[in-house]
Amino acid sequence: DQQVKQNSPSLSVQEGRISILNCDYTNSMFDYFLWYKKYPAEGPTFLISISSIKDKNEDGRFTVFLNKSAKHLSLHIVPSQPGDSAVYFCAASAWGYQKVTFGTGTKLQVIP
Amino acid sequence: DGGITQSPKYLFRKEGQNVTLSCEQNLNHDAMYWYRQDPGQGLRLIYYSQIVNDFQKGDIAEGYSVSREKKESFPLTVTSAQKNPTAFYLCASRTDRDFYNEQFFGPGTRLTVL
Repeated sequence: DQQVKQNSPSLSVQEGRISILNCDYTNSMFDYFLWYKKYPAEGPTFLISISSIKDKNEDGRFTVFLNKSAKHLSLHIVPSQPGDSAVYFCAASAWGYQKVTFGTGTKLQVIP
Repeated sequence: DGGITQSPKYLFRKEGQNVTLSCEQNLNHDAMYWYRQDPGQGLRLIYYSQIVNDFQKGDIAEGYSVSREKKESFPLTVTSAQKNPTAFYLCASRTDRDFYNEQFFGPGTRLTVL
């Protein structure tokens, strides 16, 4: 039972354009969401997060949007750069719950 | 420099042998985690520990064992009962101050069973 889903395994975007990565979740108890970036043969690194009391969080070129009614979040990268090429994981957790559930990842390729 | 170390980076073992993967953190985090990554499957939780001498099974604990004798250390043993042990293993930790925070990951160990 995949509680966090990233339905696009891969995405290609031209340098300078917007990258939009999507994530859906099914568990209504989730109230904290995170995005991680991962290069091959390395551990994931934290990118940005959002709690359920917000619908948007921004950090430089990265913005995460949360639509609680649709159980959907998205990560926007503007402008995209070649160094952004990596696998992006969406993750979700709930207050009082130590487990963190990850999606299957989306591989982003930014073409120079 | 605070962080998480995993050793070794690459590990080769013969089928039927138990193997222990090391994970150490100096971030003073209470919670520690082990994940397994397979192609196209994301990160799947094997075990996690919120406090010394206590740990809980994750989603795919069968064939694995852990211990948490020290706050800094959370070793994972891959036993011969694990049917398909070849994978990339990731250790992570997180502060317990509140639940709205991120995990910090180690660099991973690539285990190959021959």
